[in-house]
Amino acid sequence: SYELTQPPSASVSPGQTARITCSGDALPKKYAYWYQQKSGQAPIVVIYEDSKRPPGIPERFSGSGSGTTATLTISGAQVEDEADYYCYSTDISGNHGVFGGGTKLTVL
Amino acid sequence: QVHLVESGGGVVQPGKSLRLSCAASGFIFSRSDMHWVRQAPGKGLEWVAVISTDGSNKYYADSVKGRFTISRDNSKNTLSLQMSSLRPEDTAVYYCAKDVADWGQGTRVTVSS
Repeated sequence: SYELTQPPSASVSPGQTARITCSGDALPKKYAYWYQQKSGQAPIVVIYEDSKRPPGIPERFSGSGSGTTATLTISGAQVEDEADYYCYSTDISGNHGVFGGGTKLTVL
Repeated sequence: QVHLVESGGGVVQPGKSLRLSCAASGFIFSRSDMHWVRQAPGKGLEWVAVISTDGSNKYYADSVKGRFTISRDNSKNTLSLQMSSLRPEDTAVYYCAKDVADWGQGTRVTVSS
């Protein structure tokens, strides 16, 4: 079955830029979504359709893609950005969703 | 704004059935694909199923195919997940999601004897 691959962890100092990658063979043809999940809370989408930012999400969050890799960038990471981040996309048929394994971002 | 409220979770024995519901408001329900996503304790997110706007197309994760059934009632703005032959590995918080963009707060399902 189709898989999306994320690094399990990442760390950044406050004010620095964090980049989290997501790799999958269908990503050149299918949108990527990025979710932030803080401890004990439901996930929220921070990037949809590769690079769009929902209302209310800070401008420091951005998304991009190149080939089989999608990237979430947090420019000037804040302590409050410490969370688990998941990418989501579909298989090439578009019928089955899949999440990456998640990346635990530490900001300290 | 979009409001999704899941219900129906609880503790159930292996092999039994359970039905989850998701009440939707704040958007035109009949125009959105709807998904179920779950998260086992301490684990990552797992996509479970999706249903098209009119209910004619339904797709499932391999882990639940043949045991779970997703359905919707557009007249009542309600999404459902009928779960049967439950296994301990189905223990999770189950979320409903609109177009995978807006999520509810989840309902907890525990499968244990």
